[in-house]
This record gives sequence, structure tokens and C-alpha cells, in this order.
Amino acid sequence: DFQMTQSPSSVSASVGDRVTITCRASQGLSRWLAWYQQKPGKAPRLLIYAASSLQSGVPSRFSGSGSGTDFTLTISSLQPEDFATYYCQQANSFFASFGPGTKVDFK
Amino acid sequence: QVRLVESGGGVVQPGRSLRLSCAASRFTFSAYALHWVRQAPGKGLEWVAVISFDGSNKYYADSVKGRFTVSRDNSKNTLYLQMDSLRPEDTAVYYCARDRGSNWLLYYLDYWGLGTLVTVSS
Repeated sequence: DFQMTQSPSSVSASVGDRVTITCRASQGLSRWLAWYQQKPGKAPRLLIYAASSLQSGVPSRFSGSGSGTDFTLTISSLQPEDFATYYCQQANSFFASFGPGTKVDFK
Repeated sequence: QVRLVESGGGVVQPGRSLRLSCAASRFTFSAYALHWVRQAPGKGLEWVAVISFDGSNKYYADSVKGRFTVSRDNSKNTLYLQMDSLRPEDTAVYYCARDRGSNWLLYYLDYWGLGTLVTVSS
């Protein structure tokens, strides 16, 4: 089983801030990792796949990096619509699993 | 725009069964794998199951294996989740989601439905 952890569990930030979220896997994933954004009462939205590929329609202020067990999601300049919870998800096995989430809220 | 609409949720007693449906439109349904993901109230996302584009491969989370069955009808553009022996811990919003890979399992979920709430309670 692949166990996923995220840090921090929450972060308080302001519009314009650079925000970095880390995801760690219990085993190597190569680059089989995705990032999702979820707002309250809404379905998740795919942001990044294959660790660093930007999903169509996602603003370029979102970027992903990493390989193996350590991955990062960066929002280069936080916008009001970016306040949400972010999840990483491993795609390296037949049994997907998500990280516990990181909530980004107003400072 | 791809559309996925779940239905069939509701309140059910422990030990009973429920079948969820996910009606798809605006893409070639038979070319894509589909997933079920759930989210308990106030909690994170939990992957539940996946079925390949042609229904030949199915995989389940340990938490539902042996109790839930995923299936699809490509002639009706519909995905199903048969849930048996339901437990209170199965209470969640259930989402269907499309795999990003065409004729391939990538496990990147690019389109999601709005979800349907299942409550297991006596």
C-alpha cells in the first residue's frame, strides 16, 4: 500500500503570496502523482498530473515538481479563488490513494 | 463539456444495499476508464474503485472489497456501483470521475460529477 502524507495540514496566506505544499509517499512513485483542488461543497478539480504537467485550463501560477517520494505543489501568486483544500494522489498502483489534504485559508 | 451525473444516493440501514448510477455524456464513454471516489462528511477523499474502458478490469479499495461491485453499460453510457452490506462508515458523498487516459488506465481523474450522498444509519 502507498501511504500519502501532506504538509502543512493548513496554511494561512494572503493574496499575492507564494504558497508551497509538500506531499510525501511511503514508497517511490516515479512521477505518478496528481494534485487536486477542492472548494467547499464542490467536486475536486484536477490541477497537475504526472507530477508536473498542467491540466488544460488550469492557470500557470500552479506548478508541480518532484519525483520518487517527495513532491511539491506551488502557487506562485495566490489569488482569491485559490482559497481551497488541496490533495495529492498517487497513481502508481492499481489502487489509488489520496493525501489527507492541505487547507489554504485567509491570513 | 464532459458531463457526469450521479444518482441513487439516500438513507439506508446498516446491512442493506444500494446501487448508485453515473450517467455520462459529451464524450466517448466506451473509451475511458471510470472511478468512484467518496468523501465522508468533513473528511478527505478516499478512492473506492475503478473499471477499465471495456469493463474487463476492476480494482477496489480494501475498505470495500467484497462488498461493493463496480460495473458499466457502454450501450447506456452509465457507470454503476452496487453497494452491499453497508456500514455506517460508508456514509459519504460518492463521486464518479473519468480517468484521463483514453483506452488506458492512468489514474488521473480529469472530470468529476457533483456527487450523491449516501447515509448509512438505523
